[in-house]
Amino acid sequence: QGQLEQSGAEVKKPGASVTVSCKASGYTFTDYHMHWVRQAPGQGLEWIGWIYPKTGATYYAPKFQGRVTLTRETSLSTAYMELTSLTSDDTAMYYCTKETWHFGLWGRGTRVTVSS
Amino acid sequence: DIVVTQSPDSLAVSLGERATINCKSSQSVLNSSTNKKHLAWYQKKPGQPPKLLIYWASTRESGVPDRFIASGSETDFTLTITSLQAEDVAVYYCQQYCNLPRSFGQGTKVEIK
Repeated sequence: QGQLEQSGAEVKKPGASVTVSCKASGYTFTDYHMHWVRQAPGQGLEWIGWIYPKTGATYYAPKFQGRVTLTRETSLSTAYMELTSLTSDDTAMYYCTKETWHFGLWGRGTRVTVSS
Repeated sequence: DIVVTQSPDSLAVSLGERATINCKSSQSVLNSSTNKKHLAWYQKKPGQPPKLLIYWASTRESGVPDRFIASGSETDFTLTITSLQAEDVAVYYCQQYCNLPRSFGQGTKVEIK
């Protein structure tokens, strides 16, 4: 099954960018799509997009297109999510999750707070 | 895009009683290449990541208690907790993984009456 270790909490000002990392272990990183999901305070789960580490192919939810970039470093078995032009609406817990069709393995989440 | 809608938004059930959550997708989630229904259920507790309970609409994840039962057609699905336990207090989400973009229902909060 494996493990996903995410980077620590971030506090950013409006208009800034944030990068969250997700280090995979216990499985072959390049064989499975990595998805990103967020949950704002008091809100539901929101799908952001995925990256296929083997090729670097990506797909983004329309809401985040143009503002999110998913990348990976295969030598480090690590996926990254960069979100730009942050607003208070981006304050949320961000999760990476490994796809085996469904999402059976999740990171513990990275809290991103956007505040002036 | 497939829109996934859950009902009710919340429910309160006595310990040991049945809790039923509904999930409806705007399109069929039956995938012709797999011949499976691409729908999953997750349990979300505060401070924890989501936990996969059910996949392929009705297959229980390893280690999930058998009081969690799920079923459904191509567009209408149900998650039933047959005998609610205190540790089942959580928000439950259904999610389709048939099409991109992936989508979650809005969640159903389950509490103890």
